[in-house]
Amino acid sequence: DTEVTQTPKHLVMGMTNKKSLKCEQHMGHRAMYWYKQKAKKPPELMFVYSYEKLSINESVPSRFSPECPNSSLLNLHLHALQPEDSALYLCASSQGASGANVLTFGAGSRLTVL
Amino acid sequence: AQSVAQPEDQVNVAEGNPLTVKCTYSVSGNPYLFWYVQYPNRGLQFLLKYITGDNLVKGSYGFEAEFNKSQTSFHLKKPSALVSDSALYFCAVRDIDGRKNNDMRFGAGTRLTVKP
Repeated sequence: DTEVTQTPKHLVMGMTNKKSLKCEQHMGHRAMYWYKQKAKKPPELMFVYSYEKLSINESVPSRFSPECPNSSLLNLHLHALQPEDSALYLCASSQGASGANVLTFGAGSRLTVL
Repeated sequence: AQSVAQPEDQVNVAEGNPLTVKCTYSVSGNPYLFWYVQYPNRGLQFLLKYITGDNLVKGSYGFEAEFNKSQTSFHLKKPSALVSDSALYFCAVRDIDGRKNNDMRFGAGTRLTVKP
């Protein structure tokens, strides 16, 4: 298995809702990432987990809450989001945490906040 | 902190012609450099990377890139473009000497359009 699987592919939520994005990989990768991508913009790093521990949090608002239950799963819990949070959320993984490692990306979850 | 610049928002080429997508980088130490491609409504796909060694790197789908340390560039090239190469291309950099060695920074992206 050489894929990163993200669910759901599309999500529409109101500003008072609580929802979660899920990401799964079975490549034995030990680093997992959440990126946010707005239309026609590059991906922006949000969080990095290395060996199931949060190693980077790029000053993301607390309405985004990451969780790494085990080495294969990564969740992003969403609560009280704003319309400007609408974007494509990309999950990625890499074999290790060092800089030479290639990131494998999922297809993304497209989030719309009403 | 490391950064990467892609000076062209859009590149247009005719099918069969060579293509170049430009990228320059800035790091405090030595760079790891990457090229990714993104098709509509999809995640990013890895094309190639430069770590060390030969300055000319060959990657997927006939793409290659040349690392030029004096010009701090890592331009993506292909000898003969295909219509199916039309996509959004991202250059990315990591500083191997940086403390945040998990942090991959992406350029703004270049939209490549190959016309039949």
